[in-house]
Amino acid sequence: ETGVTQSPTHLIKTRGQQVTLRCSSQSGHNTVSWYQQALGQGPQFIFQYYREEENGRGNFPPRFSGLQFPNYSSELNVNALELDDSALYLCASSLTIGGRSNYGYTFGSGTRLTVV
Amino acid sequence: AQTVTQSQPEMSVQEAETVTLSCTYDTSESDYYLFWYKQPPSRQMILVIRQEAYKQQNATENRFSVNFQKAAKSFSLKISDSQLGDAAMYFCAYRSKNNDMRFGAGTRLTVKP
Repeated sequence: ETGVTQSPTHLIKTRGQQVTLRCSSQSGHNTVSWYQQALGQGPQFIFQYYREEENGRGNFPPRFSGLQFPNYSSELNVNALELDDSALYLCASSLTIGGRSNYGYTFGSGTRLTVV
Repeated sequence: AQTVTQSQPEMSVQEAETVTLSCTYDTSESDYYLFWYKQPPSRQMILVIRQEAYKQQNATENRFSVNFQKAAKSFSLKISDSQLGDAAMYFCAYRSKNNDMRFGAGTRLTVKP
């Protein structure tokens, strides 16, 4: 059983650029959630994908968007990067059955994004 | 909206001793899940323990146990026989029926040898 893998592990971008982060879900999981974790803070929910559709969204602007693919992997895209977007981006996968996930999420090790 | 509060930014414990990390949450829902996650310097969030709100019995996983007080909306984590490897950031998390998980700000636990 493979865990959640994220790529890249580190990334440096310039303000105004666009970035794509990738996540492969754990084998057997069908749902992916994305979180932003600023330094010294708890993770903040960005959005969740289930059946290739957005299935919930936190308080993030539309320039944060995502995709889920038929193999349940996912991408997080951020346009027009701002300095405050610098953070650790965590991906978590889970198994949804009948509209509910009855277990905790499995997290990846994250992508550290630095915007300069 | 649900909120999760961890009032202890930092805690320390002597090796082999017991420590309790506090967490409170705010919700109007009756059916939900609560979690404690550990985040070591490797950054990966590791599930420590989970509690279903409909279960009155407190969850236990080896040296880790919780004190779940639903009416008080309190969910504390007790670590017994603390080990050096327990040192990490600990996050309390709430998950609603729509699977949206909310985290507290975290408690940094230091274990002294």
